[in-house]
Amino acid sequence: GAVVSQHPSRVICKSGTSVKIECRSLDFQATTMFWYRQFPKQSLMLMATSNEGSKATYEQGVEKDKFLINHASLTLSTLTVTSAHPEDSSFYICSARGAEKTQETQYFGPGTRLLVL
Amino acid sequence: LAKTTQPISMDSYEGQEVNITCSHNNIATNDYITWYQQFPSQGPRFIIQGYKTKVTNEVASLFIPADRKSSTLSLPRVSLSDTAVYYCLVGGLSGGYNKLIFGAGTRLAVHP
Repeated sequence: GAVVSQHPSRVICKSGTSVKIECRSLDFQATTMFWYRQFPKQSLMLMATSNEGSKATYEQGVEKDKFLINHASLTLSTLTVTSAHPEDSSFYICSARGAEKTQETQYFGPGTRLLVL
Repeated sequence: LAKTTQPISMDSYEGQEVNITCSHNNIATNDYITWYQQFPSQGPRFIIQGYKTKVTNEVASLFIPADRKSSTLSLPRVSLSDTAVYYCLVGGLSGGYNKLIFGAGTRLAVHP
């Protein structure tokens, strides 16, 4: 149980285009989802927190207009990197926290590798 | 949010027991302690979680002293496949909000 998926697993795009990454909780309802970014040899950096049906809360230094987050249902959150640039190339990871038994634990997706050319 | 401190790296050999200690001096009353394992190019994988004393599951044990200012992840008889980065995190449901901030983690290398 407590499986989180991400799609796509990797994506290559041209500079200036937008990329959407999906995060799904497959066997539980995720009241809260988190988005992280990880550069090579570094730790995960929290970008934003989203609660179903409300606006995301962004961490300091993360541009909300560049990284659009939508948590439209209890099983799906999306991260859209708008007007992507090479410096946005990174490993993006989502996590989800559910209710009841999974409330205290975050479960992570497998990550999405983004390469902006 | 409670900050955690772990050794940057550790080395071990196959079949040995590995203990990774994490310091979290300003842990809050409602904070849980959670350990994750991460392989390259993969998302972190939940290992174990505890609040106090000792927790054991099929892959690890977690020891938490009474003051909860530290915790120790114990991996019995490691194998080469346990080579990974291990993260200790603390967080709770303060205000219904559970944000996990990752530290640098401990890079464990298991040698044959």
